[in-house]
Amino acid sequence: GDQVEQSPSALSLHEGTGSALRCNFTTTMRAVQWFRKNSRGSLINLFYLASGTKENGRLKSAFDSKERYSTLHIRDAQLEDSGTYFCAAEDDSGYNKLTFGKGTVLLVSP
Amino acid sequence: DMKVTQMPRYLIKRMGENVLLECGQDMSHETMYWYRQDPGLGLQLIYISYDVDSNSEGDIPKGYRVSRKKREHFSLILDSAKTNQTSVYFCASSWGGGTGQLYFGEGSKLTVL
Repeated sequence: GDQVEQSPSALSLHEGTGSALRCNFTTTMRAVQWFRKNSRGSLINLFYLASGTKENGRLKSAFDSKERYSTLHIRDAQLEDSGTYFCAAEDDSGYNKLTFGKGTVLLVSP
Repeated sequence: DMKVTQMPRYLIKRMGENVLLECGQDMSHETMYWYRQDPGLGLQLIYISYDVDSNSEGDIPKGYRVSRKKREHFSLILDSAKTNQTSVYFCASSWGGGTGQLYFGEGSKLTVL
């Protein structure tokens, strides 16, 4: 099975509301990254976490290696937050490999 | 300027033709990557390069090869393109010694007819 299971696959939010994306891991991961694919197709790095939580504006991410999950919380969603979000996790193999989730398509509407 | 640049951004080729996708980074990152992204599959690692002439297969290397002769450049080569290699290809780079934060290029959309 997939090492990284990302949910939900799609999410619709109204402006000003919030929600959370989640990635579950089937094995112990050393670190996790969250990306957003912007309208030009570029992948923008949102967070890199080896543990704990980080916050940047309206986004907050948490990573629990022991419990094998990571979350990305979005609050006060804005139209420009629409896009596809990916988590990617690095395992303990030491080979610099990242395994990506399949992505969450977020649509923020007025 | 912390940038990963991919060329070309868009490419159309016929089955059996050769394809060269190029990637450059200006951060002196040791590690570089090539991924492909297909709908519903997320990103899949094709090859990883730990430094000049130090390349390793990723999860889906079949049908691809890579070249890294300078630290700042990493090329993806398809010697005889197949229609199932139609995809969006992403190059990325990071510091060595663990993945660290990845920086991605804008992607190269390849269509093989």
